[in-house]
Amino acid sequence: QLQLQESGPGLVKPSETLSLTCSVSGGSISSSGYYWGWIRQPPGKGLEWIGCVYYSWDYYGETIYYNPSLKSRVTMPVDTSKNQFSLKLSSLTAADTAVYYCARGFGSPAYFDYWGQGSLVTVSS
Amino acid sequence: SYELSQAPSVSVSPGQTASITCSGDKLGDKDVCWYQQKPGQSPVLVIYKDTKRPSGIPERFSGSNSGNKATLTITGTQTMDEADYYCQAWDSATAIFGGGTKLTVL
Repeated sequence: QLQLQESGPGLVKPSETLSLTCSVSGGSISSSGYYWGWIRQPPGKGLEWIGCVYYSWDYYGETIYYNPSLKSRVTMPVDTSKNQFSLKLSSLTAADTAVYYCARGFGSPAYFDYWGQGSLVTVSS
Repeated sequence: SYELSQAPSVSVSPGQTASITCSGDKLGDKDVCWYQQKPGQSPVLVIYKDTKRPSGIPERFSGSNSGNKATLTITGTQTMDEADYYCQAWDSATAIFGGGTKLTVL
């Protein structure tokens, strides 16, 4: 059974960079045909997609997709040796306070079939 | 940018049919999926590719998508189905979520 687990700081200061890691067990993140993504949910609000890393069947490598509204502040590095992928979100403001979920996407177009438990990140001085 | 609209809340009596809609421009041309989220829990996929149910999702959950509207239908709604429901689609390589609908079963 695939499992995803987020880890990272619960409190970050404004203007700093958030770093979250998603550890995957029960499957390899370098397996072709899957998306590995981040979705966030501000307290009491709806879901917002941040971005995904995708591994393709037909070539070795990854493609990264970003929410255009966050693209300038987001990077999503992948560490296949540790079976982990990460989110780095810079120039934080209070509006970035949210529960951050990592999730696996599958299919074309992708649907998110496995989710982590979520990690609450509060941006405050 | 593309938007998906959902009514904020829907109420249904136990045993009745609940319909939760999601609207978007030419939404019927896209594949829609639906997620259920209970308080304090992560979202769970209940419908993908408009009509398909993942393994383990009860048959009372069904979906449709045509024109500008997708619908999640729960037949014989149970109290355990009380939750927030989100539709999701892709547009221009961007995943879009609807604002969510709170389903109350009373």
